[in-house]
Amino acid sequence: NAGVTQTPKFRILKIGQSMTLQCTQDMNHNYMYWYRQDPGMGLKLIYYSVGAGITDKGEVPNGYNVSRSTTEDFPLRLELAAPSQTSVYFCASKLHYEQYFGPGTRLTVT
Amino acid sequence: QKEVEQDPGPLSVPEGAIVSLNCTYSNSAFQYFMWYRQYSRKGPELLMYTYSSGNKEDGRFTAQVDKSSKYISLFIRDSQPSDSATYLCAMSEVPYNQGGKLIFGQGTELSVKP
Repeated sequence: NAGVTQTPKFRILKIGQSMTLQCTQDMNHNYMYWYRQDPGMGLKLIYYSVGAGITDKGEVPNGYNVSRSTTEDFPLRLELAAPSQTSVYFCASKLHYEQYFGPGTRLTVT
Repeated sequence: QKEVEQDPGPLSVPEGAIVSLNCTYSNSAFQYFMWYRQYSRKGPELLMYTYSSGNKEDGRFTAQVDKSSKYISLFIRDSQPSDSATYLCAMSEVPYNQGGKLIFGQGTELSVKP
């Protein structure tokens, strides 16, 4: 199993541009999550999904959108990128109590 | 006041030392407590999972929860250079295996010197 994979690993965006962060898991987990991690701030939940077709907001959803058309994929969309969205983004999936994280995407908005 | 507070460190100790990492929280509804370890430029990985108050031991690691004081700890015995990482506490109200959402602390950066 590859586990949780994320693409791209790094990206630099200009202010106002849009992009999609990809997340795929091959463990058939129902729950999937998107977090952002800023230096010294821990992880903040952006959006989560409890299964295909079902998504809900986390702590910091503004400026982001998600969709979950399949069990495997949970892309995160950034519309009109802003410098405040410079961060490391982690996708995670969960079956029971252990959450498996991807390697992260480092995004810089300038 | 943040829901979960964690001293960000950095914390530097010699190899073999006992390390104590701590978190305090304000939400008395938290019942499920976790510790994650995150190596540099990697995603977090689950280290310990405990429910309610008490201790749980796994090898060199002991997790302790004191709900009356709203305080959790992670102890590392005989620390090794390979323990050098950032340690994040996390907690939730709802049973985590039923979809509970985690609230994370800021993380403590630990360095174990040979």
